[in-house]
Amino acid sequence: NAGVTQTPKFQVLKTGQSMTLQCAQDMNHEYMSWYRQDPGMGLRLIHYSVGAGITDQGEVPNGYNVSRSTTEDFPLRLLSAAPSQTSVYFCASTLIGQGGEAFFGQGTRLTVV
Amino acid sequence: AQSVTQLDSHVSVSEGTPVLLRCNYSSSYSPSLFWYVQHPNKGLQLLLKYTSAATLVKGINGFEAEFKKSETSFHLTKPSAHMSDAAEYFCVVSGISQAGTALIFGKGTTLSVSS
Repeated sequence: NAGVTQTPKFQVLKTGQSMTLQCAQDMNHEYMSWYRQDPGMGLRLIHYSVGAGITDQGEVPNGYNVSRSTTEDFPLRLLSAAPSQTSVYFCASTLIGQGGEAFFGQGTRLTVV
Repeated sequence: AQSVTQLDSHVSVSEGTPVLLRCNYSSSYSPSLFWYVQHPNKGLQLLLKYTSAATLVKGINGFEAEFKKSETSFHLTKPSAHMSDAAEYFCVVSGISQAGTALIFGKGTTLSVSS
């Protein structure tokens, strides 16, 4: 049982480059989300999805795109990387409804130079 | 709207002494509350959760938390700290926000344990 799998674990980008962070879950959860973690800020929600074909913006969506073509996969795309996007990114998968705990991937440490 | 405030950004204790990490929440209805732990360079692990059953919730590794509605608090405690408890701890509320149903994180409390 893999849970939530995120790739890559580390990435260095140059300003202006694009890339996709991959996230897959095998728990058949409807709700998936992306967070970024910055020192002293906790985790902030970037985008989320309540099911295949449905996505919406979170607290800090600018500069990121998502899509949800299947229940299992929820990739996060950086369109044109900026140094302000240097962060640790976490994908999470959650059971919808009250009390639904989130299962997190191991994180992607992204540095934009 | 839901929000969560962790009252201490950093807590330092000695091994074998009690741990108290404080969390207050704001919610327009009965929320679900969680504590997650993150060890250095690791992902997040669920410690415990409250979902309107018993107000005293027991979690893994000897941690527990008490839901106090009158004080809107969900403080995390452990009777005796261990060196392996050194980590960052997040209090989280599940609720309806502008972003839809989402987990709303506190800013985290770093727990240091000295020998």
